[in-house]
Amino acid sequence: DAGVIQSPRHEVTEMGQEVTLRCKPISGHDYLFWYRQTMMRGLELLIYFNNNVPIDDSGMPEDRFSAKMPNASFSTLKIQPSEPRDSAVYFCASSSIDRLYSNQPQHFGDGTRLSIL
Amino acid sequence: KNQVEQSPQSLIILEGKNCTLQCNYTVSPFSNLRWYKQDTGRGPVSLTIMTFSENTKSNGRYTATLDADTKQSSLHITASQLSDSASYICVVSARGNNRLAFGKGNQVVVIP
Repeated sequence: DAGVIQSPRHEVTEMGQEVTLRCKPISGHDYLFWYRQTMMRGLELLIYFNNNVPIDDSGMPEDRFSAKMPNASFSTLKIQPSEPRDSAVYFCASSSIDRLYSNQPQHFGDGTRLSIL
Repeated sequence: KNQVEQSPQSLIILEGKNCTLQCNYTVSPFSNLRWYKQDTGRGPVSLTIMTFSENTKSNGRYTATLDADTKQSSLHITASQLSDSASYICVVSARGNNRLAFGKGNQVVVIP
């Protein structure tokens, strides 16, 4: 039973470059979440989708960040242009609940460790 | 100010011993509280989810408690094992506004 799959696992790039993170949610899950984790701030929700539609993007830090979900099995988080302060671990999670905050867990991928030089 | 505060920030315990992690929150109105375990280099994994009406829930050697009146939760680890070394994250959700509040985690290190 495949879990949430993220790629790449690690990304190192120079500031100013475009970065694209990818996520394949668990089949059948209709919610998808993008998180960022840093030592200073912990986990932060960036954006979430329901049935491929962005519902809440209030956590997206700046216009340099964008996320898409073209179909139920794929989502991307893009940073353009990237900056050193974007360095963090980015997690994707999915869940299959009818109501967002009922008693069902979110299943996380293993994250993409992003380093912007 | 963070709506979810966890303590202690980190602790070291001997294998076989018990420990208790604390989570205090100010999120209101309360919907549910979750404890996640995050191993180094991995994504968080759900341990327990508790709603307002539940005051204790167990998952193997992990037992979570919730006092919704005082807005406190604890996670108790019984007979710790080396594999319990991880960060434990408390997450609280509010009814009605679809936002999650995350603690910064309790870092637990179990030593032989």
